Amino acid sequence: KAGVTQTPRYLIKTRGQQVTLSCSPISGHRSVSWYQQTPGQGLQFLFEYFSETQRNKGNFPGRFSGRQFSNSRSEMNVSTLELGDSALYLCASSGQFRDTQYFGPGTRLTVL
Amino acid sequence: AQTVTQSQPEMSVQEAETVTLSCTYDTSESDYYLFWYKQPPSRQMILVIRQEAYKQQNATENRFSVNFQKAAKSFSLKISDSQLGDAAMYFCAYRSAGYGQNFVFGPGTRLSVLP
Repeated sequence: KAGVTQTPRYLIKTRGQQVTLSCSPISGHRSVSWYQQTPGQGLQFLFEYFSETQRNKGNFPGRFSGRQFSNSRSEMNVSTLELGDSALYLCASSGQFRDTQYFGPGTRLTVL
Repeated sequence: AQTVTQSQPEMSVQEAETVTLSCTYDTSESDYYLFWYKQPPSRQMILVIRQEAYKQQNATENRFSVNFQKAAKSFSLKISDSQLGDAAMYFCAYRSAGYGQNFVFGPGTRLSVLP
């Protein structure tokens, strides 16, 4: 099976812009979770989607949003970018029982 | 809320030697899963090993094994015959078996392998 894919891999934006990141889970997986990874804060949970519904949400401002489509692909959007949003954004998918997560390669976002 | 602690921010090991990475967690639940993930520099995070809390037998995957002490809430990772390719950030993670629970990750341990 193909693994989790994320596009784009690298992104450079300026403050105030918005960005959309995409994640395609492993075939058959219906759960997709998003994480923000920074050197200072480690891995922080953003949100999880399962069958097009947001199941869990981390402690991030409303500028961070996401959605999931009927084919389980997920997107996350960050509006009004701030310098502190520069990070590696990781997507992970899980199967039916959500007991194990498999990660994508991540999208490296740089905000200038 | 559950928490995961990795008390060793950095560790190093000589090639071919054995190293143990520590992880402790805090939970009031009895049914859960524990994981070790590896993230090499600038590369993808991959699952190293998985343990189900209701299983007393420690999980093993080739050179990787865990020491799961449920009562002590401890979940250490042992890497035997360390190789240069083992150099990475290692994350310990917890997930409750309950419905709707998300994963909780520790801060990570950076492992260096010395030739």
